[in-house]
Amino acid sequence: QKEVEQDPGPLSVPEGAIVSLNCTYSNSAFQYFMWYRQYSRKGPELLMYTYSSGNKEDGRFTAQVDKSSKYISLFIRDSQPSDSATYLCAMSPVPQGAQKLVFGQGTRLTINP
Amino acid sequence: DAGVTQSPTHLIKTRGQHVTLRCSPISGHKSVSWYQQVLGQGPQFIFQYYEKEERGRGNFPDRFSARQFPNYSSELNVNALLLGDSALYLCASSLEAGTSYGYTFGSGTRLTVV
Repeated sequence: QKEVEQDPGPLSVPEGAIVSLNCTYSNSAFQYFMWYRQYSRKGPELLMYTYSSGNKEDGRFTAQVDKSSKYISLFIRDSQPSDSATYLCAMSPVPQGAQKLVFGQGTRLTINP
Repeated sequence: DAGVTQSPTHLIKTRGQHVTLRCSPISGHKSVSWYQQVLGQGPQFIFQYYEKEERGRGNFPDRFSARQFPNYSSELNVNALLLGDSALYLCASSLEAGTSYGYTFGSGTRLTVV
């Protein structure tokens, strides 16, 4: 079983729709949760990060973490064609020395005009 | 301000050959991490270096090695290349070793092994 599971999609929605992206994880040591956006032929770009459980909002993006269910979500409101990309969830344990991010497989998202 | 710079951007190598990938972190960043991203998968952690010392290593064979220089730039070396080493190799920099949420990734080096 992978430490982080993410539905690879692809996911295709019309412009303006609300998009929900999700990841589940098995390692209860994870405390930091991140969402990255990756455009084709580019490196991942940090969108959101949260520490422990709770919600965080930034513009059209909302990240949710439910540690009791080991489940994280990213919501995109009023989706735009420019949001078309691969979205990666990533996690890491409490910082102690070496840090690595554990990524999900990524969900390919297309927003249709 | 320049971001994370990786070179070369693309590379084609033959099985059995050796390859060196280079990374220059954001100015002031002291930690560099390397990730391998196979097509259709999420990035996999290879190494982290901080202040020229290895701080972490992922589940990769000894054919993979890296080092960090006094100016905090870094090299990733892969010996005896296999077809399965074909991937996008990403470098990420951060101010310190423990702030993984503060990573900035470069655009990567796409390695094709034939």
